[in-house]
Amino acid sequence: QVQLQQWGAGLLKPSETLSLTCAVYGGSFSGNYWSWLRQPPGRGLEWIGEINQSGSIKYSPSLKSRVTISVDTSNNQFSLRLTSVTAADTAVYYCARNRDFFDLWGRGTLVTVSS
Amino acid sequence: EIVLTQSPGTLSLSPGERATLSCKASQSVSSSLLAWYQQKPGQAPRLLIFGASSRATGIPDRFSGSGSGTDFTLTISRLDPEDSAVYYCQQCCTSPPWTFGQGTKVEIK
Repeated sequence: QVQLQQWGAGLLKPSETLSLTCAVYGGSFSGNYWSWLRQPPGRGLEWIGEINQSGSIKYSPSLKSRVTISVDTSNNQFSLRLTSVTAADTAVYYCARNRDFFDLWGRGTLVTVSS
Repeated sequence: EIVLTQSPGTLSLSPGERATLSCKASQSVSSSLLAWYQQKPGQAPRLLIFGASSRATGIPDRFSGSGSGTDFTLTISRLDPEDSAVYYCQQCCTSPPWTFGQGTKVEIK
């Protein structure tokens, strides 16, 4: 059974860099796109970007200037970096598998940006 | 960017009733690329429907999806108290970004 386990810092100060990693256990890493999404408290879902095993990447245009998604195929992991965070970046961040739909999700990481 | 608009914002119904949730797209979406999710408080979203009308693994048959072009519908035929949640539609994968509707909250009286 494929599972996603994610981790990273949960409390940041404004202007710092958010860094999260998601590991894929129990299934194939190749042949899929692996996405990051977020959900501000009490609000809806926003797709941030995604990557596949080959390093092909797509980003949301609204975040593209601050986002880097990378992949570590040797460890079946992919990572998110978001620079220059502000309070508006406070959200639960999810990793997920994209097969033209998000069928597998991590449990989410609450990232709070506060001075 | 394709904008998905869901209605109503909140639906309050009794157990056993039928719920009809709407998702309208700002431009045509391929039916194969329209999905629905259920999200309960404190949990990650759960895939219900993909390809506009195909149920995901383990999803009860009281959940069904339909539609094409710019108009899509999620129907819950007989509401169960466990169906209390927020439901999102989502489109993918022609031109980024992949987008979600703002959600419909289903309350069970």
